[in-house]
Amino acid sequence: EVQLVESGGGVVQPGGSLRLSCAASGFTFSGYYMHWVRQSPEKGLVWVCRINGDGSSTNYADSVRGRFTISRDNAKSTLSLQMNSLRAEDTALYYCVRSESGRFEYWGQGTVVTVSS
Amino acid sequence: EIVMTQSPATLSVSPGERATLSCRASQSISTNLVWYQQKPGQAPRLLIYGASTRATGVPARFSGSGSGTEFSLTISSLQSEDFAVYYCQHHATWLWTFGLGTKVEIK
Repeated sequence: EVQLVESGGGVVQPGGSLRLSCAASGFTFSGYYMHWVRQSPEKGLVWVCRINGDGSSTNYADSVRGRFTISRDNAKSTLSLQMNSLRAEDTALYYCVRSESGRFEYWGQGTVVTVSS
Repeated sequence: EIVMTQSPATLSVSPGERATLSCRASQSISTNLVWYQQKPGQAPRLLIYGASTRATGVPARFSGSGSGTEFSLTISSLQSEDFAVYYCQHHATWLWTFGLGTKVEIK
């Protein structure tokens, strides 16, 4: 059974940093693109970034490029998101997602990030 | 960026009735269109991909159609467990975008 379990969310002040993690199990982690997708009442579902199977290629939404970094450790089946220079508009529920041919097949339950002073 | 527009925002339907949800893309996306269902407190669930292919385990009462810029999701006979929010999403480019969703509520 595919499982994705996020952790690392919390409350952080504007300008601060946070690192999210996603523990994957039940599949060959290195064989799949992985993504972070966030959801907030204001903006709905928003794709944030993705990384390919071996970690050599990444893409970012304009809103986070230069501030967020996605990475993976295939030996530990772990996906990470380093978030720097956080803003109030980054407040959201962050999902770790596995994709297949562009569709988001499996989602974790999410971890909440709140940026507030 | 391709903008996905869903309508209506809310659809009030009685159990057993048919529901049709619409999704429009701001430019042609061929059939690179996915539908998700989300219930309160849960992550989105993949329903339909390739505009019309049901994901594993999705009941046959769910069907998708369309290509280019106009798409629809039809639930032929609404069951109690189908009341939820439905989102469309394109993957025609690597900059994936979602619609704002249609909430299907009990009439």
